[in-house]
Amino acid sequence: EAQVTQNPRYLITVTGKKLTVTCSQNMNHEYMSWYRQDPGLGLRQIYYSMNVEVTDKGDVPEGYKVSRKEKRNFPLILESPSPNQTSLYFCASSFIHSGGVNNEQFFGPGTRLTVL
Amino acid sequence: KQEVTQIPAALSVPEGENLVLNCSFTDSAIYNLQWFRQDPGKGLTSLLLIQSSQREQTSGRLNASLDKSSGRSTLYIAASQPGDSATYLCAVRPRGGSEKLVFGKGMKLTVNP
Repeated sequence: EAQVTQNPRYLITVTGKKLTVTCSQNMNHEYMSWYRQDPGLGLRQIYYSMNVEVTDKGDVPEGYKVSRKEKRNFPLILESPSPNQTSLYFCASSFIHSGGVNNEQFFGPGTRLTVL
Repeated sequence: KQEVTQIPAALSVPEGENLVLNCSFTDSAIYNLQWFRQDPGKGLTSLLLIQSSQREQTSGRLNASLDKSSGRSTLYIAASQPGDSATYLCAVRPRGGSEKLVFGKGMKLTVNP
């Protein structure tokens, strides 16, 4: 089954304790992205990757890191989490836009993170 | 800067009504537009994708249209059911740049039995 998976689905942690949220897709997509969703602010892009070893900042990258060592995986790293990073996080993937290619973005189930 | 607006923010209707959900965007330079459904505390389910060259897409009781020149899309839901209750999000994929989806704030739909 074609899908985007994220782990963990729920996480409660404390300020300053490094954590990683994993994301994996099995559709051979070049493009992967992380979003966060907050009440009243909607979904905002954190980081994205156009292909292996190619990553770039989105709209709200502060406090986050990513890596893209393999095409299927795109982990989100919080080196020193703070309470303002409490949010619902989504990973997404798609083909990069090219004429005739279906570049629908597929989303993972979400990770609800609480930083105390 | 691309902005996406969904009005109203919430809608409550009796079961069986045909619904039109509206989405507007400020820049017509897009690759595509996607409609999503989100249940409370859950992930995003893609409902329909319309490429910029298309005018509409249909899936079951759902029909989405796109008028790129006027910056508008509508999602039509036929014969609404209580199971359609959810938040509906519209998102556009601007040409160039990060290829990120730019989302509207969503419309919370409640269908009453």
